[in-house]
Amino acid sequence: GAVVSQHPSRVICKSGTSVKIECRSLDFQATTMFWYRQFPKQSLMLMATSNEGSKATYEQGVEKDKFLINHASLTLSTLTVTSAHPEDSSFYICSARVPGLGEQYFGPGTRLTVT
Amino acid sequence: GENVEQHPSTLSVQEGDSAVIKCTYSDSASNYFPWYKQELGKRPQLIIDIRSNVGEKKDQRIAVTLNKTAKHFSLHITETQPEDSAVYFCAASESKTIFGAGTRLFVKA
Repeated sequence: GAVVSQHPSRVICKSGTSVKIECRSLDFQATTMFWYRQFPKQSLMLMATSNEGSKATYEQGVEKDKFLINHASLTLSTLTVTSAHPEDSSFYICSARVPGLGEQYFGPGTRLTVT
Repeated sequence: GENVEQHPSTLSVQEGDSAVIKCTYSDSASNYFPWYKQELGKRPQLIIDIRSNVGEKKDQRIAVTLNKTAKHFSLHITETQPEDSAVYFCAASESKTIFGAGTRLFVKA
């Protein structure tokens, strides 16, 4: 399958600071990437769809000013959690869709802890 | 909105037995149905998928079936092994992918 990387794998930050998470498709160009949030023992909750060269599409209930998404190239999407608070602590996973096939491959995830 | 329901939430089987996980979806426009396996602390891994123009697909011990009329699709694992123990997610996709709640599968040796 295709390879998707995500960095950092873990980050601890103080309340009020911002954190940037990068998602890269390593061996294919992804016009569409997705950002998910996963709580312990729960499913993947879609936060937003990231489209290269255009604004992200956010799911209902997800604050676009808090979770900034940028998809500046066909291999890179970034998620910035702004003014992070302890309730933002979670496992964030990105995925990239293989063009034309519909298959999505996931990054390894980023565990964010806000103290 | 779009919804995917998955059952059971937990499934425990004896090694060598079969395991079946069932999902239903609400969006009739969905045309792609992947299944993912997620081990603790790791990323979801695509294990098999099926498209809307196909009713059944098999890959070694894993098979998926799709009933578009009823909006049902299922995952079948035969001859289960302890290493099959994980959380399995079904999903339905058109422009975006919606995941089921997951099934925690335990295979007892």
